[in-house]
Amino acid sequence: GAGVSQSPSNKVTEKGKDVELRCDPISGHTALYWYRQSLGQGLEFLIYFQGNSAPDKSGLPSDRFSAERTGGSVSTLTIQRTQQEDSAVYLCASTGYSNQPQHFGDGTRLSIL
Amino acid sequence: AQSVAQPEDQVNVAEGNPLTVKCTYSVSGNPYLFWYVQYPNRGLQFLLKYITGDNLVKGSYGFEAEFNKSQTSFHLKKPSALVSDSALYFCAVRDGTSGSARQLTFGSGTQLTVLP
Repeated sequence: GAGVSQSPSNKVTEKGKDVELRCDPISGHTALYWYRQSLGQGLEFLIYFQGNSAPDKSGLPSDRFSAERTGGSVSTLTIQRTQQEDSAVYLCASTGYSNQPQHFGDGTRLSIL
Repeated sequence: AQSVAQPEDQVNVAEGNPLTVKCTYSVSGNPYLFWYVQYPNRGLQFLLKYITGDNLVKGSYGFEAEFNKSQTSFHLKKPSALVSDSALYFCAVRDGTSGSARQLTFGSGTQLTVLP
């Protein structure tokens, strides 16, 4: 596609449920990033995929968070046993060469009741 | 470790006046610097970047930024502000040294309001 696509755009769920967020990067981009943007705050790095290399998971806040990237393209971020503090906008970005800017999707707004 | 500081949460400027949004950074290697803009309920849009070369970088929508190594700053500027420039602006940095982590570290954002 023309840009990074994320789905769903909004997700409301009850505390304790699991959620899956999807990111479809720009075609041909080898690197994919997940960030979290909490209300009134900047962006917090979560996880980074580069080609077939092992992902950099250093930003994941707890073991309830995981992500995978299938076939070097689409990525899914999974949050298990959601907590209210998980409420945020989850942004995905992709890029090609190392000094190219990251291109962002419009995000998934997650609300935990 | 790398970090970005945007010292102003809010900047107000009159339409037609010049605007500056401040950013300072800290990185152990070669700084790659970026400015992004975010409109309500949207993702971040890339404005401009500094990788190497001229310290004055020109970007989208008439924005420019000046890389100042001695002051570790990368302030965003525009000679004449438009009401449509009102948005949330983020400065970001990563270490461009080969083999360094590629994720960006973002500042906390500056809300720019251009008054008609």
